[in-house]
This record gives sequence, structure tokens and C-alpha cells, in this order.
Amino acid sequence: NAGVTQTPKFRVLKTGQSMTLLCAQDMNHEYMYWYRQDPGMGLRLIHYSVGEGTTAKGEVPDGYNVSRLKKQNFLLGLESAAPSQTSVYFCASSYLGSGSGTDTQYFGPGTRLTVL
Amino acid sequence: GDSVTQMEGPVTLSEEAFLTINCTYTATGYPSLFWYVQYPGEGLQLLLKATKADDKGSNKGFEATYRKETTSFHLEKGSVQVSDSAVYFCAKGGGNKLTFGTGTQLKVEL
Repeated sequence: NAGVTQTPKFRVLKTGQSMTLLCAQDMNHEYMYWYRQDPGMGLRLIHYSVGEGTTAKGEVPDGYNVSRLKKQNFLLGLESAAPSQTSVYFCASSYLGSGSGTDTQYFGPGTRLTVL
Repeated sequence: GDSVTQMEGPVTLSEEAFLTINCTYTATGYPSLFWYVQYPGEGLQLLLKATKADDKGSNKGFEATYRKETTSFHLEKGSVQVSDSAVYFCAKGGGNKLTFGTGTQLKVEL
């Protein structure tokens, strides 16, 4: 099993450009998450999904959109990139939501995005 | 709102020293609590967890006990190694999500 994979690993954008980050998991997990990691701020939840065809906003959703058309994939889109979106983006998945009290989130290796 | 607070780093220790990284949380009820570790250039991976009060999570020599009286989940290890150098994140579960602390960088030197 590959676990959670993310594409691409690195990307440099100019302000105003758009891009899509792809997350894929092969563990048949229902729940998937997108986080951003910034120095001194830990991980902040952008959007998440509790199942195929569903999405919900997290703590910092502005400027991002997501889609979960297939259970194994969760896409994060930036329609018009801004320098404030320079960050490391992590995808995670879990069988049940961590609110259930028992389930672990499994993380991908991250995508380092720089917006100039 | 609910939050997780952990001690700021970096924490620098000599090999074989004792490690404590403090973590406290605010929440309604009794959430599950987690410690994740992030090695350089990698994603986060679960180190240990506890799902109810007084539970002790343990893994790779690390331990943490769920203390509801003090709303704490401090991470400890009796003898750290250079290979333990990483960033450690405390987190709590709730509402199908995790809330993370800001992370504590640990550097272990020979």
C-alpha cells in the first residue's frame, strides 16, 4: 500500500495563477483532510470531507476550493494564488473521523508551494 | 473555542537526557488526545494516542497520560536519542477533526 500520496511535491506559482493539488489514498478511508503548515502556527485545517461527494470548511477555507468526486481522491484548488498562500500543504485521511475518539489520521508527505 | 497549547521550542537535549514536552487543551467533554511526530522533510505520523481519562499511550519509549483533572497530555521519554530529533505535535480530536498545537522542535545532540 502506498498510503497517502500527494502530487506535486513542489510548485512555484506567480500571483494570480491557479493550480490543483491532488491527494490520493488507497486505504479505503471515508474521511479526508487538507491542512496548511506555517512556521509557528502548527497545522490548520483548510477543508475536509466525510465521504465521496461531500466537503466542508475548516478553519482557514478562504481562497481554496475542494472536490471529492471519488472516494480515494481529494483535490485542493487555488483559483487565484496569493503570496499569503505560500505554505506546505498536507493531506490526511482516516477511516472514521477523529471525533469518534479512536481513529488515526494518516498524512501524506506534503506539497511545498511558493507564490511569488 | 477549543485549543491545544504546547511548550515552545526548540528544545535542545543531550543524548540520554530525559524529555518532557508539555501539552494542555481546552474542550468540552473528553476528547481523544494524540501526539504526532514530523521528521525533517516528511509528513506527520502518529506517535501515540489516548482515548479516555487516565489512559496512557506509549510507543518507541515515549509515553503520555491523559489527565482530565489538569487537562494535560504531556509527552515524556526517559532517554532520548539523536534519532528522536523532530517536531512533535500535540492534538485533540472532536467533530470529525483534529486541532493541533503549534509544534515543539526537539534537537538531540551527542
